[in-house]
Amino acid sequence: EDKVVQSPLSLVVHEGDTVTLNCSYEVTNFRSLLWYKQEKKAPTFLFMLTSSGIEKKSGRLSSILDKKELFSILNITATQTGDSAVYLCVLAGGTSYGKLTFGQGTILTVHP
Amino acid sequence: DTEVTQTPKHLVMGMTNKKSLKCEQHMGHRAMYWYKQKAKKPPELMFVYSYEKLSINESVPSRFSPECPNSSLLNLHLHALQPEDSALYLCASSQTGTGNYEQYFGPGTRLTVT
Repeated sequence: EDKVVQSPLSLVVHEGDTVTLNCSYEVTNFRSLLWYKQEKKAPTFLFMLTSSGIEKKSGRLSSILDKKELFSILNITATQTGDSAVYLCVLAGGTSYGKLTFGQGTILTVHP
Repeated sequence: DTEVTQTPKHLVMGMTNKKSLKCEQHMGHRAMYWYKQKAKKPPELMFVYSYEKLSINESVPSRFSPECPNSSLLNLHLHALQPEDSALYLCASSQTGTGNYEQYFGPGTRLTVT
C-alpha cells in the first residue's frame, strides 16, 4: 500500500523565517508527487514533481524530489502570515489512475 | 475558467432526509472526484468518475450515491446518513491521461448530520 509521511506535523515560526517541510513516501508505481496548500477550504495546487533533482519554484516557495531516497521537501523563504495553512504532500501512484495518497499534512503557523 | 464550484456551501440534514450535493466544472476535465474530509485529517477519496463512468468506489456505504450526468457535473446523493458522516465534502476534477495528476478542488460542502 502506498504511504506518505510528512514531518513535522506542526510548525510555528515568525514572519521572515525560512521553513522546510519534509515528505517521505513508499509507492509501488510512482507517477508523481504533488504539494497542496489548504487554508480554510479547498486544497490549492502548488507543485507537481515527476523527475529527481529538478527544483520547482514559485515566488518564495520551492520544492524538489529525490526518487532514490524517496522524499521531497517544500521550502518557504521569508515567510508571511498568509503562508499559515496546512501543507499536504500527495502521491500519485499505484495501479489506479486518479487515486491520490495524501500525507497527514504539516500545519504551519506564521506569527507576525 | 479554472474553477470547480460546489453547492450548497453548508448543509444540515436529519438522518431520515434525502439531499444532494452538486459539483460543476467547465475546464473540459473528464475525471471528477468526491472526497470526504474530517477535521484535522487529509481528504479521503470516495469516488472517481472517468469519462462519466464510475471507475473507483472506495468501499463507500450505499447511503452515498454518486452520479455523473454529463462531463461537467457531478452529484452526490445522500440518504439515511449517520452523524459520523458529518464532514467537509470536496469535489475535484482533472484532465485524464499520463502526466495529468493535478486535481483542482472545489471549496467544499460542509455537511452536518443531526
